[in-house]
Amino acid sequence: DQQVKQNSPSLSVQEGRISILNCDYTNSMFDYFLWYKKYPAEGPTFLISISSIKDKNEDGRFTVFLNKSAKHLSLHIVPSQPGDSAVYFCAASGTDSWGKLQFGAGTQVVVTP
Amino acid sequence: NAGVMQNPRHLVRRRGQEARLRCSPVKGHSHVYWYRQLPEEGLKFMVYLQKENIIDESGMPKERFSAEFPKEGPSILRIQQVVRGDSAAYFCASSPRQGGNEQYFGPGTRLTVT
Repeated sequence: DQQVKQNSPSLSVQEGRISILNCDYTNSMFDYFLWYKKYPAEGPTFLISISSIKDKNEDGRFTVFLNKSAKHLSLHIVPSQPGDSAVYFCAASGTDSWGKLQFGAGTQVVVTP
Repeated sequence: NAGVMQNPRHLVRRRGQEARLRCSPVKGHSHVYWYRQLPEEGLKFMVYLQKENIIDESGMPKERFSAEFPKEGPSILRIQQVVRGDSAAYFCASSPRQGGNEQYFGPGTRLTVT
């Protein structure tokens, strides 16, 4: 039962443009959402998070938007840089899940010069 | 580097052998999570441990898999009688707080069963 879905397995974007990654979830008990970035042969690195009491969180070039009614969140990267080329995972947890993170399948982002 | 450490980074086992994966959390973190990533998939939660306690093992297969986090030393994920389907990347994460959402991941152990 996949409770967190990333329907785009890959995304190609030109350097300097905006990257938009999408994530949908089905469990209404989720109240905290995170984005992780992963390079090959490395572990995921925390990028940015958002609590369900907010609809937007910004950190430098990264902004996460949360639409609770649609059970949808997105990550915007502006401007995209070659070093942003990686797999991005959306993750979610609920108050009753003791920090157990549910991950999406990931989106491979390639930033081209 | 005070990050999460995992060893070995790569482990090859024949079917039927045992695999032991080790995880040393960030210094001062007493909460450890294990996740498994199969090819082309996201990470799947396996188990959440605090020192000397298993808090949530709802993601662990019922047989052959066990985990511990002793008072001293690293956390261990043990897989007995490995099968080809156990081939995956196993990631450990740690957190300073109970039920901590922001988890710090190690580089993973890639297990290959031949």
